[in-house]
Amino acid sequence: DTGVSQNPRHKITKRGQNVTFRCDPISEHNRLYWYRQTLGQGPEFLTYFQNEAQLEKSRLLSDRFSAERPKGSFSTLEIQRTEQGDSAMYLCASSLAEPYGTKNIQYFGAGTRLSVL
Amino acid sequence: TQLLEQSPQFLSIQEGENLTVYCNSSSVFSSLQWYRQEPGEGPVLLVTVVTGGEVKKLKRLTFQFGDARKDSSLHITAAQPGDTGLYLCAGAFYTGTASKLTFGTGTRLQVTL
Repeated sequence: DTGVSQNPRHKITKRGQNVTFRCDPISEHNRLYWYRQTLGQGPEFLTYFQNEAQLEKSRLLSDRFSAERPKGSFSTLEIQRTEQGDSAMYLCASSLAEPYGTKNIQYFGAGTRLSVL
Repeated sequence: TQLLEQSPQFLSIQEGENLTVYCNSSSVFSSLQWYRQEPGEGPVLLVTVVTGGEVKKLKRLTFQFGDARKDSSLHITAAQPGDTGLYLCAGAFYTGTASKLTFGTGTRLQVTL
C-alpha cells in the first residue's frame, strides 16, 4: 500500500457547479478524515468516518457539502453549487483507531486543490 | 474550542543555523503530532508525542512535549536547505471519540545557502 490517495489533484470549476473528490485511505485504516486548508493556514477539520459511519461534522461543513464512505473503504466529498470561498486544498487523512484514542496518528494524502472561478 | 498557537509564523535562516519552533495551547493534549508540508502536497508526519516531558530525536530534529502536555517545541540543529517547508503542530484532544486534530497555523521555514 502506498498511502492515502486523492483524486483529482487539481480541480478548476465555475461558480455554481458541483464537484466531487475521492479519497482512498490506507487499506487497513478504519478512520477517514476530511480537512480543508486555505492559503497560509493550517488544515481545518471538516468531518470524519469510522468505517462507514460519519461520526462528526464540523460547523464549517455547510449544507452544500456532503461526504460519504459507503463501504467503509474509499470516501467522496461533494460540494454543490460551489462558491469562490470554497477555493482551498481539500485534504484526506486516515488512521487506525486505537482503544482509547491516545495517539490518533493520521496520515495525509496529497490533497485536491479546488479553484472556483 | 481548542486553539493552537505556533511561533514564529515565518523564519528565514542560513544553512548551518539552529532554530526552535513553538506550539502552545491553553488546553491539554492527549497527543501531539508534528508535520512538515511542502507546497502543493499534504502534510507528512514527522513525530508523535504522547507523554508529558517526552523528548524525541529524529536525526537533526528534536521534539519536546511539555510536562503539562499543553505545549511542544521543535528544534532543528544545523539547518539545511532541504528543511525548508511549512511545519505544523497538531493536537489531539481526547473527547471520547478522539477524532479530529486541531492544527496550528504553521511556521514557514526558509533555509538559504
